[in-house]
Amino acid sequence: QVQLVESGGGSVKPGGSLRLSCAASGFTFSDYYMSWIRQAPGKGLEWVSYISSSGNTIYYADSVKGRFTVSRDNARNSLFLQMNGLRAEDTAVYYCARAVRWLQPLDYWGQGTLVTVS
Amino acid sequence: EIVLTQSPGALSLSPGERATLSCRASQSDVSTYLAWYQQKLGQAPRLLIYGVSSRATDIPDRFSGSGSGTDFTLTISRLEPEDFAVYYCQQYGSSPWTFGQGTKVEIK
Repeated sequence: QVQLVESGGGSVKPGGSLRLSCAASGFTFSDYYMSWIRQAPGKGLEWVSYISSSGNTIYYADSVKGRFTVSRDNARNSLFLQMNGLRAEDTAVYYCARAVRWLQPLDYWGQGTLVTVS
Repeated sequence: EIVLTQSPGALSLSPGERATLSCRASQSDVSTYLAWYQQKLGQAPRLLIYGVSSRATDIPDRFSGSGSGTDFTLTISRLEPEDFAVYYCQQYGSSPWTFGQGTKVEIK
């Protein structure tokens, strides 16, 4: 079955860095577009970043542009989010999710990893 | 950026009742790229509806989506105990993708 497992979360000081990973299984990872979405404690969902199946097309939310970098390794069925210059407002659970292609919804989500900036 | 506004913020209903959730977009560019997700406490969101009205895999037919232009609706025809959760709408037609702020459906 489809599985997305995030890791790499933790506690970091403002200005610090973290690298999140998302391990995919149960489907052909290289066929799917992937996204990162975050949810601050007790708040709603905020889309963070999107990467096409080949990695050639990438989008970021304005709130993270210039600080976060998304990448993928299709040979290792893995998605990454390098987060630099972290701020208190980046504190959230970070989810990875997949979409069949552009203009398609997020049909499977991982369980998330918590990032705390304090 | 397309802003999605959900109403009401919370809905108190009893099992067996009908729930009607609204999602209004700030622009009509959403077209048919509108989805609904369900999130239970401590869990990841789950896709319920996409393309305004198509049910995702294994979603029961008591969930239905409708709407056009800037006004969209999620209807749960008869609430089951497992349906009490937070529901989010999302537009995925233009970057940045955006979510509504959520509607909490709680037991009365």
